[in-house]
Amino acid sequence: EVQLGESGGGLVQPGGSLRLSCAASGFTFTNYWMSWVRQAPGEGLQWVANIKEDGSEKYYVDFVKGRFTISRDNAKNSLYLQMNSLGAEATAVYYCARQVADYGGGKDVWGQGTTVTVFS
Amino acid sequence: QSVLTQPPSASGTPGQRVSISCSGSRSNIGTNYVYWYQQLPGTAPKLLIYKNNQRPSGVPDRFSGSKSGTSASLAISGLRSEDEADYFCAAWDDSLGGYWVFGGGTKVTVL
Repeated sequence: EVQLGESGGGLVQPGGSLRLSCAASGFTFTNYWMSWVRQAPGEGLQWVANIKEDGSEKYYVDFVKGRFTISRDNAKNSLYLQMNSLGAEATAVYYCARQVADYGGGKDVWGQGTTVTVFS
Repeated sequence: QSVLTQPPSASGTPGQRVSISCSGSRSNIGTNYVYWYQQLPGTAPKLLIYKNNQRPSGVPDRFSGSKSGTSASLAISGLRSEDEADYFCAAWDDSLGGYWVFGGGTKVTVL
C-alpha cells in the first residue's frame, strides 16, 4: 500500500526549532518530487516547500526562505523539513505529499499530518 | 489572505449540482494548470482534479473541472451527503521564483 507517515511535530517555544520527518512506503520514492503543505487551525492549505527526486532542486514559499530547509534521504525513503526561528504563524498541521509528474505536479498521496504548536 | 479566491461556502440538496469558483491571476491560473482537492473533516486532502479537468483513478465522474482565462471552477453533480467537505483549488504561480498557491477553501454543505 502506498503510504506517507509524518512525525516530529510537537510543542516549541518561539524562536525554537523542529525537524519533521516523512516516511514513504509502497512506491519508488526516488521517482517523485515531494512537498510539505501546512494547514493552520481552521484555515486553508498553504504550500511550504518541495524537492526534486534527487534533491538537486528545492523550492520554498517566500516567508520560510532562510528559515526552513527541505531535504530527503532516498536510501531511507524519507523526507525532512528542518524548521528554525519558529514563530506563532508556524502553528499548523504539516502534511507531506507526493507529487506526480503525469498529473502536472498534482499531489496524489498525503500523509496523516503532524501537528506543530508554537507557544510562549 | 490566499492568492486564489474561492467563496467560503456553497450548499445544495442531494441530487443537485453545485459549482465552486476559483479566481486567480495571469501568473497562476492564467498560465498553469488548476488542481482541486477535497478535504473531509479531520482527514488529509485528496486530489480530485488535476490538469484543469482530469480525474485520478477512483474519483467519480460526478466531479468535473474547467478553466477559462484566470478562473476555474469545480462542479459536483448529483450531490451526495458524503460530498460534504472542504474543497481547495491550487495552481503553480510563476512569480517570486515559483511556488504552489491554494485557494482559501469552500465548505460544501449538503442540506
